[in-house]
Amino acid sequence: GAGVSQSPSNKVTEKGKDVELRCDPISGHTALYWYRQSLGQGLEFLIYFQGNSAPDKSGLPSDRFSAERTGGSVSTLTIQRTQQEDSAVYLCASSFRDRTAYEQYFGPGTRLTVT
Amino acid sequence: GENVEQHPSTLSVQEGDSAVIKCTYSDSASNYFPWYKQELGKRPQLIIDIRSNVGEKKDQRIAVTLNKTAKHFSLHITETQPEDSAVYFCAASSSNDMRFGAGTRLTVKP
Repeated sequence: GAGVSQSPSNKVTEKGKDVELRCDPISGHTALYWYRQSLGQGLEFLIYFQGNSAPDKSGLPSDRFSAERTGGSVSTLTIQRTQQEDSAVYLCASSFRDRTAYEQYFGPGTRLTVT
Repeated sequence: GENVEQHPSTLSVQEGDSAVIKCTYSDSASNYFPWYKQELGKRPQLIIDIRSNVGEKKDQRIAVTLNKTAKHFSLHITETQPEDSAVYFCAASSSNDMRFGAGTRLTVKP
């Protein structure tokens, strides 16, 4: 079946602009995650959704970052007033149920470049 | 919350040799330990996982061991091949938290 998809695959934006990144999880997966990966670095956890609620937002770096999930499916990560340090690959993942014991399936990522 | 440390950050081995990557975790309640492989420019993918009720699991050339008392687990790759070159991430999960290690960049030299 279809895997996790993300759009756009690449996004170049000017400093100060807002951006929206989209994630379509695998159908039937109730858990959804956002991570940030800077060049050559690890997976920085941002936020975790269970259904439409976010029990763990502890990784969001600042109040410029927000995310929502609707219909227990699609999620959008919004970055307001982008800064150059926001440049990274943003990865979305989903899993069948919660994050404690199920494989996470990753999307291809959105490469964000802030100029 | 959970804290996972991973060592080494980089590892270079000769083709055919073994590679070992080690992780420690902080939450004694953690009970699920997956390993992900990320090839250059690609997404991370699960390669093996282990749950706290077993001490070792093997899948062909890869194996994972878990020491719950010491709170550490390791990935072992035998007979390494150039296609094993990638970044490997460990993770630890408890009832309400899951965190990844910082990653190990493995290079297998032909």
